[in-house]
Amino acid sequence: AQSVAQPEDQVNVAEGNPLTVKCTYSVSGNPYLFWYVQYPNRGLQFLLKYITGDNLVKGSYGFEAEFNKSQTSFHLKKPSALVSDSALYFCAVRASNAGGTSYGKLTFGQGTILTVHP
Amino acid sequence: EAQVTQNPRYLITVTGKKLTVTCSQNMNHEYMSWYRQDPGLGLRQIYYSMNVEVTDKGDVPEGYKVSRKEKRNFPLILESPSPNQTSLYFCASSPLQGGLRTEAFFGQGTRLTVV
Repeated sequence: AQSVAQPEDQVNVAEGNPLTVKCTYSVSGNPYLFWYVQYPNRGLQFLLKYITGDNLVKGSYGFEAEFNKSQTSFHLKKPSALVSDSALYFCAVRASNAGGTSYGKLTFGQGTILTVHP
Repeated sequence: EAQVTQNPRYLITVTGKKLTVTCSQNMNHEYMSWYRQDPGLGLRQIYYSMNVEVTDKGDVPEGYKVSRKEKRNFPLILESPSPNQTSLYFCASSPLQGGLRTEAFFGQGTRLTVV
């Protein structure tokens, strides 16, 4: 079974400081990893993904994430946080070689509330 | 504009009254799924469909039904809603080509309250 853990329910940072939202995963075979953001009363918006290749992936709004296979992690980062980055962030994994009922399934972490203070 | 459209956005209903939440996508995606979002639990898959007339259970299917008669539509049906189905629901779609490397596209969500 595949799973995702976001160990911090909440992350607080000051505007202008770097931010990190942590994510670890468990999956059979090679993972496809995704980060989504949810603003209040909105759907999930895609930020970035890791499929293969370079371990550092860049996405929307200045976010990036680093894939670490040995630590099974995919932490979301941004060098300089903005107040407008305050939202709920979800990490998700999809197994690249899953079959049967797990084919295509996205498994999400429980979410991390990011609050950026002015 | 590529999008997944859910209706209604908000719904308050009473226990036992059948309801349907509609979902439609305009991207010709084969794979569609329903999730429910609950605080502290993230998003959990209810049902999914790999194509027309092909549906299967996700992690939390009890109390829900789905159908996929057309590629673009994937309605979620609650035959007899109960208060524990009060939640935020999301529909999502993805193309199957490329081995599902493409991210899923999500609807705006339906906030359901069952009293």
